[in-house]
Amino acid sequence: GQSLEQPSEVTAVEGAIVQINCTYQTSGFYGLSWYQQHDGGAPTFLSYNALDGLEETGRFSSFLSRSDSYGYLLLQELQMKDSASYFCAVGNYGGSQGNLIFGKGTKLSVKP
Amino acid sequence: DSGVTQTPKHLITATGQRVTLRCSPRSGDLSVYWYQQSLDQGLQFLIQYYNGEERAKGNILERFSAQQFPDLHSELNLSSLELGDSALYFCASSVDQGSSYEQYFGPGTRLTVT
Repeated sequence: GQSLEQPSEVTAVEGAIVQINCTYQTSGFYGLSWYQQHDGGAPTFLSYNALDGLEETGRFSSFLSRSDSYGYLLLQELQMKDSASYFCAVGNYGGSQGNLIFGKGTKLSVKP
Repeated sequence: DSGVTQTPKHLITATGQRVTLRCSPRSGDLSVYWYQQSLDQGLQFLIQYYNGEERAKGNILERFSAQQFPDLHSELNLSSLELGDSALYFCASSVDQGSSYEQYFGPGTRLTVT
């Protein structure tokens, strides 16, 4: 089976940097995705790492270490609007299947 | 706006009833996914369709079924509803199965079973 672990809550102040970790156990790993979901909203895709290393997209970066079954999402220059839940997800795609398994999410609260 | 549409936005119904949730994927997307999100369970994958065919099943109850039509829209049917089925139901789409890491979610249908 597949499982993902991430912290349930993180709090940080505006302008700071926060890192949200995700460890996973999966058979047939293909990559790690990150999604953001504001309260009452739909999840939105943030980033994807298939290979080891850091991917940067503006203020957000995502890192993957396949050997450690570990990844993280790094949010810099935090803004109030970054308050949301962040989900890591692993893919189960290949062959005839293709779907994502999501972690339980990390609720990020950004304080002024 | 992700380009994925879902109807209805809200649905209130009684236990034992049956409802149908509808989803239209982004233009050009062939894969459709259904998820259930409740407060204590996070995003639970239910089922995936690709170009009209069922391709993957997650934790979908036997009382639930889905299909994808030739125009690629999809419907999720929930029957013999129980109080515990109250949740947000999301539909998502991706270009194809190989792109399932990047899914676009609709606004969701909030189902309340009373």
